[in-house]
Amino acid sequence: DTEVTQTPKHLVMGMTNKKSLKCEQHMGHRAMYWYKQKAKKPPELMFVYSYEKLSINESVPSRFSPECPNSSLLNLHLHALQPEDSALYLCASSQDRGRGGNSPLHFGNGTRLTVT
Amino acid sequence: GQQLNQSPQSMFIQEGEDVSMNCTSSSIFNTWLWYKQDPGEGPVLLIALYKAGELTSNGRLTAQFGITRKDSFLNISASIPSDVGIYFCAGRPVGPVLTSGTYKYIFGTGTRLKVLA
Repeated sequence: DTEVTQTPKHLVMGMTNKKSLKCEQHMGHRAMYWYKQKAKKPPELMFVYSYEKLSINESVPSRFSPECPNSSLLNLHLHALQPEDSALYLCASSQDRGRGGNSPLHFGNGTRLTVT
Repeated sequence: GQQLNQSPQSMFIQEGEDVSMNCTSSSIFNTWLWYKQDPGEGPVLLIALYKAGELTSNGRLTAQFGITRKDSFLNISASIPSDVGIYFCAGRPVGPVLTSGTYKYIFGTGTRLKVLA
């Protein structure tokens, strides 16, 4: 079982809906990530939070809005999405060991999002 | 975004055979990770490598950090049907460390493995 938990597992939403994806980890990791993965493609980085502050935004459209309420939780708020946004959205976490620190990513099982 | 060259793209093998795959880059990396992803699930970490020349095993899996720091290899010995899935490498390029030690990993294009019983 993964130690990074994502809900819901599946989500279908219309283009005018507002929904949220949730991610939780209890490994004490201080860096959390959102990735988007299309079928048969590698994960693509969207956002990185470090110590609950947004550290990286990979030029993601504003219809995706991340939020990190505390060190264990990460949300992704969705609004006015397009059908091409349909994908598997993966959350990951890693230990933040400071400058030069190397720590692997631990992924959740993802939310399969379909935009109709 | 930037991707690593991973080969082969896909492979069909007989149960019991050994498997080899690799990732290459034109840039120097200081960390290599290998993941396996099953359908409908997230990538699962198999092996992490942190030093050039490092050779690490995890059961039937063995991975190596290339001496040039521009490549990494994953070998699976005596494959079994449950080895089927997509294998991704991920590398952390040498470069400026971002604030608080956060960093980007670049993913390979994936190797789709199918094992014939």
